[in-house]
Amino acid sequence: GAGVSQSPRYKVAKRGQDVALRCDPISGHVSLFWYQQALGQGPEFLTYFQNEAQLDKSGLPSDRFFAERPEGSVSTLKIQRTQQEDSAVYLCASSFPEGPLFTDTQYFGPGTRLTVL
Amino acid sequence: TQLLEQSPQFLSIQEGENLTVYCNSSSVFSSLQWYRQEPGEGPVLLVTVVTGGEVKKLKRLTFQFGDARKDSSLHITAAQPGDTGLYLCAGARGGSNYKLTFGKGTLLTVNP
Repeated sequence: GAGVSQSPRYKVAKRGQDVALRCDPISGHVSLFWYQQALGQGPEFLTYFQNEAQLDKSGLPSDRFFAERPEGSVSTLKIQRTQQEDSAVYLCASSFPEGPLFTDTQYFGPGTRLTVL
Repeated sequence: TQLLEQSPQFLSIQEGENLTVYCNSSSVFSSLQWYRQEPGEGPVLLVTVVTGGEVKKLKRLTFQFGDARKDSSLHITAAQPGDTGLYLCAGARGGSNYKLTFGKGTLLTVNP
C-alpha cells in the first residue's frame, strides 16, 4: 500500500527498558509528525520534521524521548528507560506542504500501541 | 486544560437518527479539521474549514465553523452503522499551521 506504515504495531516493554518505534511515511512527503494518544484522549503533538530537520520538538514530554529522521524519510521515535505513564498509542503522520496559507493534510499511520509493565 | 472541548463525549443512537457533535474553544484557530478514527487505526481527515461561518457538506455530513473561528459543529443526517467511530476535531493556530491541537473526541455508536 501507499499509506503510512508503522512498526511494530504492538510493543510490550518492562519498566526501564528502551524502545524504538519506526515510521515509514508516504513516499515524497516532506513533513513528518509524531503524536501520543493516551487511552480515551485525542492525539497530542510530540514533534515535527521537515525532511531531516527536526523543526519542533516542543511536545516531547521528557528528555527520555528522542526522535530522528536522518535521511528525510523513515523516522524512529526512541523512548529510553520507559515508565508506565509512557503507555499509549504512538501515531506517525506525514504530509506534503500545500503552502503557507493552508493547513496541510496529514495522513496518519495505524500507530504503535506501547504497553509498559 | 483542554484547549478544544468536544461534546458529547459518548453518543449512542439508532440507525436513521440525526445527530450533532460540538467542538468548542476560547481560542481562535486559523483552521479547524474533523477526523474520524476507527479502532486500531489512525485518524482519517474528513474536512478542513478555514473561514468563519463556513459550511461544508460531505454527503450526509455537514460541518460548520463558527463566525469567530473558535468553535465548530458536525451534523450527521440519517446516521448509518458505518458512521460508528471516534470523531476528533483539531485546530491549527496562525504561525504554525502544521501543529494540530486535538480534542478528546466524541465516540459515536450507531446501532442497526
